[in-house]
Amino acid sequence: EEQVVESGGGLVQPGGSLRLSCVASGFTFNTYTMTWVRQAPGKGLEWVASMKEDGSDIYYVDSVRGRFTISRDNAKNSLYLQMNSLRAEDTAVYYCTKGGAAGGRFHPWGQGTLVIVSS
Amino acid sequence: DIQMTQSPSSLSASVGDRVTITCRASQTINSYLNWYQQKQGKAPKLLIYAASTLQSGVPSRFSGSGSGTDFTLTISSLQPEDFASYYCQQSFSIPRTFGQGTKVEIK
Repeated sequence: EEQVVESGGGLVQPGGSLRLSCVASGFTFNTYTMTWVRQAPGKGLEWVASMKEDGSDIYYVDSVRGRFTISRDNAKNSLYLQMNSLRAEDTAVYYCTKGGAAGGRFHPWGQGTLVIVSS
Repeated sequence: DIQMTQSPSSLSASVGDRVTITCRASQTINSYLNWYQQKQGKAPKLLIYAASTLQSGVPSRFSGSGSGTDFTLTISSLQPEDFASYYCQQSFSIPRTFGQGTKVEIK
């Protein structure tokens, strides 16, 4: 069974940093684009960043570009999101999901990890 | 950026009803359109991809149609477990945008 599991969320002050992790299993991790999607409390889904299987292409939503960095370690079947200069509007549940290539789909999704940016 | 607009934003329906949700893209996306279901407090779940292909394990009462800019998700006979929020998402271009969601509630 394909599965992804996120970790690393928590409470952080504005301007602070946090690193999210996602471990994948049940599929050949190094052959898939991987993606982070977030959902602010009571709001809809927002694509955050995607990274191709070999790291050759990386994409970010405008609101996080320059502050967030997506990375992966194919040897560890892991995806990461380094979040710096955090703002209150970054408060959300962050989901890791397989997919994100052109014409593709997001499946499966992890259970999410909650990030709260507050003083 | 391609804007995805769903309608309605919410609807009330009864068990057994036929339910239709529409999604409109601000420019053509061919058939690069996916649908997700999200229950309260849970992660989204893929229902339909490439506009009309049912994801494995998803009940056949769910169906999708459309191409270009206009798409539809149909639930042929609403079941108690279908009360949830539904999102469309385009995979034609970056950023990968979602619709604002449609909440299906019990009448």
